[in-house]
Amino acid sequence: QVQLVQSGAEVKKSGSSVKVSCKASGDTFSSYTISWVRQAPGQGLEWMGRIIPTLHITNYAQEFQGRVTISADESTGTAYMELSSLRSEDTAIYFCTRDKSGRGFDPWGQGTLVTVSS
Amino acid sequence: DIQMTQSPSSLSASVGDRVTITCRASQNITTWLAWYQQKPGKAPKLLIYKASRLESGVPSTFSGSGSGTEFTLTINSLQPDDFATYYCQQYQTYSCSFGQGTKLEIK
Repeated sequence: QVQLVQSGAEVKKSGSSVKVSCKASGDTFSSYTISWVRQAPGQGLEWMGRIIPTLHITNYAQEFQGRVTISADESTGTAYMELSSLRSEDTAIYFCTRDKSGRGFDPWGQGTLVTVSS
Repeated sequence: DIQMTQSPSSLSASVGDRVTITCRASQNITTWLAWYQQKPGKAPKLLIYKASRLESGVPSTFSGSGSGTEFTLTINSLQPDDFATYYCQQYQTYSCSFGQGTKLEIK
């Protein structure tokens, strides 16, 4: 049974960066593709990007190009999402999820609340 | 970018009702569509993938259909646990996108 466990809540200042981790267990990490999705308070889901850890291939949503970096450490089975130049609109819950390549996103991490204050 | 539009944005129904949610894609996505259920404070849960394939463990009261640009999620015989927000997602392209969500409330 695959499980994804994310790092804890963060409070950041505008203009700074945040790095959220997502540790996988229960299956071979190298067989995953990990996507990151965020959800602003009371809003819908927004896909940010994905990584194929074994190939270190990433692709990002246009809206986040240049501000987001997704990485992975195969030795620890952990994926990371770093978002820079934070602004108040980046206040959201950030989720990691396994991208099953044509079979949807499952499972999901528990989410990490990032609050950006001025 | 492919835009996903769900309708309605909210819906009131009673236990035992049958409801249908529609999702339209701005261009042809064949059947590269998934549906998720989300409850307050929780991560989304995958219900349907490839437009009509039921994820393991999901009740058979949920079904999906459609191809191309128009898709539907149907919930038969609504249960109290089904009241939640539902999202469609396309993953036909290298980047994916979600609909804006449909909130299903108890009448």
